[in-house]
Amino acid sequence: RKEVEQDPGPFNVPEGATVAFNCTYSNSASQSFFWYRQDCRKEPKLLMSVYSSGNEDGRFTAQLNRASQYISLLIRDSKLSDSATYLCVPLGGASKIIFGSGTRLSIRP
Amino acid sequence: DAGVTQSPTHLIKTRGQQVTLRCSPKSGHDTVSWYQQALGQGPQFIFQYYEEEERQRGNFPDRFSGHQFPNYSSELNVNALLLGDSALYLCASSEPGGSGANVLTFGAGSRLTVL
Repeated sequence: RKEVEQDPGPFNVPEGATVAFNCTYSNSASQSFFWYRQDCRKEPKLLMSVYSSGNEDGRFTAQLNRASQYISLLIRDSKLSDSATYLCVPLGGASKIIFGSGTRLSIRP
Repeated sequence: DAGVTQSPTHLIKTRGQQVTLRCSPKSGHDTVSWYQQALGQGPQFIFQYYEEEERQRGNFPDRFSGHQFPNYSSELNVNALLLGDSALYLCASSEPGGSGANVLTFGAGSRLTVL
């Protein structure tokens, strides 16, 4: 099983819609989680950190399900500017920070 | 405050050649990690440097090597280039400790094409 698995998408949703996608992880010792956003041909940038059961930042909500070992990202009232690839990073200790392969999101007008 | 800077931004090499990529971390950061990102894939961890030592390494062959200098800047060297080494190489830096140590700030990357 891969350390981090994400649905590659693409998710194609209309502007204003709510969209959610999951990230499953294999290391049950993971305590911290991160979502990064990567625009086309750009570097990843931190979107959100999750240190407990979840986190909310404006239109973005991350929810952690430790029993099933997945973390989800929910985007409400999606904007055209939300179109990007979303990368999941569960932190399992040590210094090796492993990224998922990303979920592509495309918001259409 | 400059973020992470990488050079060169683009380069083209031929099979069998060697390449050196450079990275200067964000001010105040002392840890540098290198990632390889192929088209349509997530960043793959190559290795991490801290205090001029390789601290962690991903699943990459010995053709990939690195170095960190006393000023925390870093180099990634790839020998005997293969076509499959064509990718975006990302450098990321992080803080010296605490929760910030796990938050990566990325440079814009060096795009390597191997012909």
